Amino acid sequence: NAGVMQNPRHLVRRRGQEARLRCSPMKGHSHVYWYRQLPEEGLKFMVYLQKENIIDESGMPKERFSAEFPKEGPSILRIQQVVRGDSAAYFCASSTKGGGTEAFFGQGTRLTVV
Amino acid sequence: QKEVEQDPGPLSVPEGAIVSLNCTYSNSAFQYFMWYRQYSRKGPELLMYTYSSGNKEDGRFTAQVDKSSKYISLFIRDSQPSDSATYLCAMSSGGANSKLTFGKGITLSVRP
Repeated sequence: NAGVMQNPRHLVRRRGQEARLRCSPMKGHSHVYWYRQLPEEGLKFMVYLQKENIIDESGMPKERFSAEFPKEGPSILRIQQVVRGDSAAYFCASSTKGGGTEAFFGQGTRLTVV
Repeated sequence: QKEVEQDPGPLSVPEGAIVSLNCTYSNSAFQYFMWYRQYSRKGPELLMYTYSSGNKEDGRFTAQVDKSSKYISLFIRDSQPSDSATYLCAMSSGGANSKLTFGKGITLSVRP
């Protein structure tokens, strides 16, 4: 049973470009969470999605960031017009049920904005 | 006050030592308590999962939750160099739409 798959593992973007981060949850998992981790900081919640629905996006910056989890295919975190401050590790987690309990994380995508 | 506070690190212990890692929290709605281990440049790995107050043991690891004091702990017995990692506590109210809230993490180094 494959774990949570994130790709790419490393992504370099120039300022102003778009970044697309993909997350394929574990088989049977319909709940997906995105977190951002900055150096020396913990994991900061960004958004919680179920298939085709955004449940909680209270941690998402109001501009430039969006997320989706379509009926078919991976969840996508999209960052438009990236800035240096967007450089971070972005982690996706999935679970079989809501509440964030027993969530399993992917290996993350490390975004570097140059 | 942050929702979840974790003891600052880093922490360095000799091999074989008993390690105690702690978190406090302010949100009384939290019912589910987790500990994650994160190796350098890897994703967090779920280590222990506890519901409400009490103790849970898994091999060399013991998780304790004291809801009356809003305090949780992770004990590692007979620590090994392979335990060297960052440990993050995480909590959730468990409601259908709730999420995990994390502490900042503490970096543990076990010296051979």
